[in-house]
Amino acid sequence: DQQVKQNSPSLSVQEGRISILNCDYTNSMFDYFLWYKKYPAEGPTFLISISSIKDKNEDGRFTVFLNKSAKHLSLHIVPSQPGDSAVYFCAASASGGSNYKLTFGKGTLLTVNP
Amino acid sequence: DAGVTQSPTHLIKTRGQQVTLRCSPKSGHDTVSWYQQALGQGPQFIFQYYEEEERQRGNFPDRFSGHQFPNYSSELNVNALLLGDSALYLCASSFTWDSSPEAFFGQGTRLTVV
Repeated sequence: DQQVKQNSPSLSVQEGRISILNCDYTNSMFDYFLWYKKYPAEGPTFLISISSIKDKNEDGRFTVFLNKSAKHLSLHIVPSQPGDSAVYFCAASASGGSNYKLTFGKGTLLTVNP
Repeated sequence: DAGVTQSPTHLIKTRGQQVTLRCSPKSGHDTVSWYQQALGQGPQFIFQYYEEEERQRGNFPDRFSGHQFPNYSSELNVNALLLGDSALYLCASSFTWDSSPEAFFGQGTRLTVV
């Protein structure tokens, strides 16, 4: 029973264009959502998060959008750079506090071509 | 400021053996969580330790056990290893009174069971 789903295993975009990574969830108790980036042989690195009381959060080139009614969130990267090539994980938590577990999707491999 | 450190980075064990993985949390963090990442999957929550007690546990058998020490470092023990235990084991640390659930991950321990 996958509560967090990333239906696109991979995505390829040109440098300078927009990358859009999608994530769907099924558990209505999730109230905090995070995106992590992972390079090979490294641990996941936190990228950006959003609380369920918001529908958008922006940090530089990265913006996360949350549609609670559709149980859907997306990560936009503009403009995309070759260094953004990595696996991106969507994660969700059922509490805003750090003492609760994160539930991850399977990840999307983003390739940004020069 | 050292981040989350895990040891060893790689490990090869034989089926039926026991293994201990170690984690030192980021300075200032008091909560340690362990995740298993199988090939092609997202990290799956194993358990979380706070104040030297297991606070939460995911859907993993009792062969998986852990410990947290007074200095907040932690160990993950797996008994009676199965081939299916081969995975990347990730340690994540956080501060329990933080308002957001983002956790900081180590680089992981790659366990291969043969």
